[in-house]
Amino acid sequence: RKEVEQDPGPFNVPEGATVAFNCTYSNSASQSFFWYRQDCRKEPKLLMSVYSSGNEDGRFTAQLNRASQYISLLIRDSKLSDSATYLCVALNTGGFKTIFGAGTRLFVKA
Amino acid sequence: NAGVTQTPKFQVLKTGQSMTLQCAQDMNHNSMYWYRQDPGMGLRLIYYSASEGTTDKGEVPNGYNVSRLNKREFSLRLESAAPSQTSVYFCASSLRLAGGGTGELFFGEGSRLTVL
Repeated sequence: RKEVEQDPGPFNVPEGATVAFNCTYSNSASQSFFWYRQDCRKEPKLLMSVYSSGNEDGRFTAQLNRASQYISLLIRDSKLSDSATYLCVALNTGGFKTIFGAGTRLFVKA
Repeated sequence: NAGVTQTPKFQVLKTGQSMTLQCAQDMNHNSMYWYRQDPGMGLRLIYYSASEGTTDKGEVPNGYNVSRLNKREFSLRLESAAPSQTSVYFCASSLRLAGGGTGELFFGEGSRLTVL
């Protein structure tokens, strides 16, 4: 079983919709969490870090649930340009072994 | 502003041939990583180097070797390529955080390797 699991999707949503992805992690010692975005045939890029209290960046909100060991990403008012694969990362404090989930594909259609 | 540079970008090998993927970063980062990405599998960590002079196995190290040549460069070697190693390979680097551990990963554009 991978240390970080994601629903591969794909999620097909219309423009303007709200969509949420979850990512579960198996290592209870994980302390740092991130969401990356990867466009087709491109390299991944950091979308946002996930803080214990949750954090928001424009239309994107990230949440952490330590009790159930998952992180979530909420995208409001989806745009066509949000179509991509979203990858999550869970990392131990002081750790370097950065393991990615398999990614969740999102398609936003007009 | 180069960031992370990988070479070559494309390579076709025959089974049993060897090759080295090169990676260099100009951001003065401490840590460097090699991943492979296959359809439906996401990014899988092959090896990483937390700092110059150290290397550690990731999730899928078999069939690969790495060298952290200096702070800037981290190479990945396939000694005897197999068709199962057909993949897109990404190199990444990151800055060591003051409290330990790593921050954001910055990726190269990827190297597409086909083994026939």
